[in-house]
Amino acid sequence: GAGVSQSPSNKVTEKGKDVELRCDPISGHTALYWYRQRLGQGLEFLIYFQGNSAPDKSGLPSDRFSAERTGESVSTLTIQRTQQEDSAVYLCASSSRRTSGNEQFFGPGTRLTVL
Amino acid sequence: AQSVTQLDSHVSVSEGTPVLLRCNYSSSYSPSLFWYVQHPNKGLQLLLKYTSAATLVKGINGFEAEFKKSETSFHLTKPSAHMSDAAEYFCVVSLSPYNFNKFYFGSGTKLNVKP
Repeated sequence: GAGVSQSPSNKVTEKGKDVELRCDPISGHTALYWYRQRLGQGLEFLIYFQGNSAPDKSGLPSDRFSAERTGESVSTLTIQRTQQEDSAVYLCASSSRRTSGNEQFFGPGTRLTVL
Repeated sequence: AQSVTQLDSHVSVSEGTPVLLRCNYSSSYSPSLFWYVQHPNKGLQLLLKYTSAATLVKGINGFEAEFKKSETSFHLTKPSAHMSDAAEYFCVVSLSPYNFNKFYFGSGTKLNVKP
């Protein structure tokens, strides 16, 4: 596609429920990143994938958070037993080895609200 | 270790006056440096990037940034602010253009432009 897409754009859930967020990177981009942005704050790194290598999960805040990516395609971020503090915008970005400087292209984000 | 510091959380200027948003970084390697802009309720957009070519980098919408290795700075400037420049700006550093790694985001600077 023309850019990074994310779905859903908005998600409202009840505390304790599981949610799944989806990211479609730009075709051919081998690297994919997930970030969290709480209201009024900067971006918080969560996880990144590089091709078929083991992902860097060092930013995941707890074991309730997990993410998967198959090859160089779609990624899903799963939050289990959601808490109110999980409310945030979740941003996905992808980048390409062929792009000088490793520029990240960001999706529009998924706004998650946990009631 | 590497990190990025945005020295001002808020900057307020009058329309038509110069803009200066400050960013300092620390890195053990030659960094790639980026500035991203985030308008309210919109996605992140790349303004400009430095990847070891010219130290003065020109970006979109009249913005520029100068890489100063001796000062470990990458300040963002614009000669004349427009109302449409009101947004949040993030300075970002990555390890190398050719290695996939985490991107380190500054905490952001909110630019307010007064009429």
